[in-house]
Amino acid sequence: KQEVTQIPAALSVPEGENLVLNCSFTDSAIYNLQWFRQDPGKGLTSLLLIQSSQREQTSGRLNASLDKSSGRSTLYIAASQPGDSATYLCAVRHNTDKLIFGTGTRLQVFP
Amino acid sequence: DAEITQSPRHKITETGRQVTLACHQTWNHNNMFWYRQDLGHGLRLIHYSYGVHDTNKGEVSDGYSVSRSNTEDLPLTLESAASSQTSVYFCASSVGGRLSYNEQFFGPGTRLTVL
Repeated sequence: KQEVTQIPAALSVPEGENLVLNCSFTDSAIYNLQWFRQDPGKGLTSLLLIQSSQREQTSGRLNASLDKSSGRSTLYIAASQPGDSATYLCAVRHNTDKLIFGTGTRLQVFP
Repeated sequence: DAEITQSPRHKITETGRQVTLACHQTWNHNNMFWYRQDLGHGLRLIHYSYGVHDTNKGEVSDGYSVSRSNTEDLPLTLESAASSQTSVYFCASSVGGRLSYNEQFFGPGTRLTVL
């Protein structure tokens, strides 16, 4: 059974720092991995999707990497801003198209 | 613009009542999903559908049912609401097929309280 773990569970940093959020999964037979952002009381916004054949994806200040063999993905946030404060979720997808989620990293960036 | 909507956004009901949560997507996606989100458990899959008249049970399907009569809608029904079903419910959709770039898009959620 696939298990997805995110470390740390919470993170509080000053504005401007570069951040790394970690996601690990136990079954490497995935189709893709998605990173989401969730603001308090809101839905999930897709940030990046990495296909199983890819090593990384970039969008603006965000960079996500994938190492399938070791069951790990990282989300790198450059030059963090207070507006980046949110919960970040990773989810893996197998061939059934279902997503299995981690429990998230709650990020607070203070001015 | 294509979107996925959920209604109601907030619902308070009593134990034992039947409740239906609506999900509507205009992406013309084949796949639709229902998740619930609870503190300490993250998002867990309730039911999902790969197309019209197709429905499948997810990880936490007991006490819930869905039906898919058209592409756009997947309503979630709680047959007899229980306090343990107090949660935030999210609907999602994706294109479908064995595509590695299949991305799931989520609705804004419905907060359900069962008293």
